[in-house]
Amino acid sequence: GAGVSQTPSNKVTEKGKYVELRCDPISGHTALYWYRQSLGQGPEFLIYFQGTGAADDSGLPNDRFFAVRPEGSVSTLKIQRTERGDSAVYLCASSLRPGSNEQFFGPGTRLTVL
Amino acid sequence: KQEVTQIPAALSVPEGENLVLNCSFTDSAIYNLQWFRQDPGKGLTSLLLIQSSQREQTSGRLNASLDKSSGRSTLYIAASQPGDSATYLCAVRELSGNTPLVFGKGTRLSVIA
Repeated sequence: GAGVSQTPSNKVTEKGKYVELRCDPISGHTALYWYRQSLGQGPEFLIYFQGTGAADDSGLPNDRFFAVRPEGSVSTLKIQRTERGDSAVYLCASSLRPGSNEQFFGPGTRLTVL
Repeated sequence: KQEVTQIPAALSVPEGENLVLNCSFTDSAIYNLQWFRQDPGKGLTSLLLIQSSQREQTSGRLNASLDKSSGRSTLYIAASQPGDSATYLCAVRELSGNTPLVFGKGTRLSVIA
């Protein structure tokens, strides 16, 4: 079956611009996670959705970052006034239900802010 | 705050060798531990997941062990192959089960033919 998909695979933008990154979880998965991975680092948690609501957004670095999941399926991570330090790979993962053991990851979106 | 450390940061071995990757975590109150593989420019592929009540899991040439009380896990790769070259990430999930994964920085493995 289809795995987690993310679009675009690569995004190049200029400092100060607004970007949206999209995640399509595995069908039927209720939990959705966003992580950010900088070069040479492990992924770091940003935000977790259970259904339509953000159950934990403690990893968002500042108020320029926002994410939505209006229908409990597709999620969009939005970054306002991008900065060069936002350059990273943004990974999305989904799992079947709360407390489910395994998270399945998408291929990521590589964001480059010039 | 949970911290995950992976040693070594990079490893290069000749084909056919058996090898061990190490992972340690500071808070032993974990729900499970997961090992992932990441190829350059790609996402994460789950290799093995060990529940907190388990001591090891095996899949093919891979064996992962967990010693929760000492905060350690190892990933053993038998008879390494060039196709095993990748970054291996260790991640723990804390007790509530709904929490996100906390990752180490990974071990970059190169298997030389």
